[in-house]
Amino acid sequence: GAGVSQTPSNKVTEKGKYVELRCDPISGHTALYWYRQSLGQGPEFLIYFQGTGAADDSGLPNDRFFAVRPEGSVSTLKIQRTERGDSAVYLCASSQGTFPPYEQYFGPGTRLTVT
Amino acid sequence: AQSVSQHNHHVILSEAASLELGCNYSYGGTVNLFWYVQYPGQHLQLLLKYFSGDPLVKGIKGFEAEFIKSKFSFNLRKPSVQWSDTAEYFCAVIIDNYGQNFVFGPGTRLSVLP
Repeated sequence: GAGVSQTPSNKVTEKGKYVELRCDPISGHTALYWYRQSLGQGPEFLIYFQGTGAADDSGLPNDRFFAVRPEGSVSTLKIQRTERGDSAVYLCASSQGTFPPYEQYFGPGTRLTVT
Repeated sequence: AQSVSQHNHHVILSEAASLELGCNYSYGGTVNLFWYVQYPGQHLQLLLKYFSGDPLVKGIKGFEAEFIKSKFSFNLRKPSVQWSDTAEYFCAVIIDNYGQNFVFGPGTRLSVLP
């Protein structure tokens, strides 16, 4: 694939529901990142994977948020019991690795709206 | 906590005007610096990056940035903007040996009037 892809592009859900957001990184990229961008703000780090393992999940806001990358490629961000404050654009990025720092390539994002 | 600030929330310029967008970070150690751009309806794209060496970095589309360590700054410049430069610009930092995630600034919206 040419770039990072994310599905769905838009997701509207009711408060309290469970959602999954998917990210397909660039083929061969070992590092994968999730960010959240609220209106008028810069992206905020959530979690990153090196391979299959979560190398740093310090940005996850609480235990309702969880992400997996079982085969070291596709990743899924899971949000339980969604709240209106979770509404944001969720961005995924991938890079060749993490050391030395490599450029991160961003996907188009998933706009999540919790009603 | 480490942070990145961008001085201007919204900048409005006429075509051919010169541009400088400010970026400051709050960490005294080794940093890696980036400017990303987000055109309307598109995803974030890298404009330029600084890891080491010459503090004046040239990027795509005529943009450049200067790393001034003593000022903790990495300002973005372009001598003559075009209408197509209308976009949101984000400064981002990776703090060496701290983590591999970007710390982004809040962004500066640039509007270029034709």
